[in-house]
Amino acid sequence: AQTVTQSQPEMSVQEAETVTLSCTYDTSESDYYLFWYKQPPSRQMILVIRQEAYKQQNATENRFSVNFQKAAKSFSLKISDSQLGDAAMYFCAYRSKISYNTDKLIFGTGTRLQVFP
Amino acid sequence: AAGVIQSPRHLIKEKRETATLKCYPIPRHDTVYWYQQGPGQDPQFLISFYEKMQSDKGSIPDRFSAQQFSDYHSELNMSSLELGDSALYFCASSLWRWEGMNTEAFFGQGTRLTVV
Repeated sequence: AQTVTQSQPEMSVQEAETVTLSCTYDTSESDYYLFWYKQPPSRQMILVIRQEAYKQQNATENRFSVNFQKAAKSFSLKISDSQLGDAAMYFCAYRSKISYNTDKLIFGTGTRLQVFP
Repeated sequence: AAGVIQSPRHLIKEKRETATLKCYPIPRHDTVYWYQQGPGQDPQFLISFYEKMQSDKGSIPDRFSAQQFSDYHSELNMSSLELGDSALYFCASSLWRWEGMNTEAFFGQGTRLTVV
């Protein structure tokens, strides 16, 4: 079974600085999706960025980028030019591609990001 | 663009009562997932449906059941409610393609269930 591990329960960053959130996962599959979701105080789950395992190029979305190391099974999120609105819980998630009957998101335990002015 | 709609947004029930949560996926999405998120916890997968058939099952108690209807909306039925069932219940939807090019899951705003 796949597992997702986020070893940083809490992180903090100053506004305009850069912060990196870590995520590792375990799987025997060769093709899959990885995601970062943001959950602000409203508790809405918002997709931040996605990565397809067969793509070597790291995904980027504006100020958000990932460092995907497939061999190391590592998937970190870098937030550049941090803003107060980035403060939230961030979840790393894994999704299998094999079959519709194994199709679910497996979440890590989350990292709470605080942003200080 | 249309999003995943969940109703009700908030629900208060007494112990041993029954609750029904509804989810309306994004149009044309063929897969629905249900997750339970307790306070300060990560979302836990309960159950999923693909094309109106149950496709995967997680840590869903026997007191809970779910189904997806012909119009693709889904309902999570929870009976004999316990205090520990108090949580945020998310529904998400996505589009599965046999060639593997499935999309990301989009989440509804959740139903906050409080059992008193």
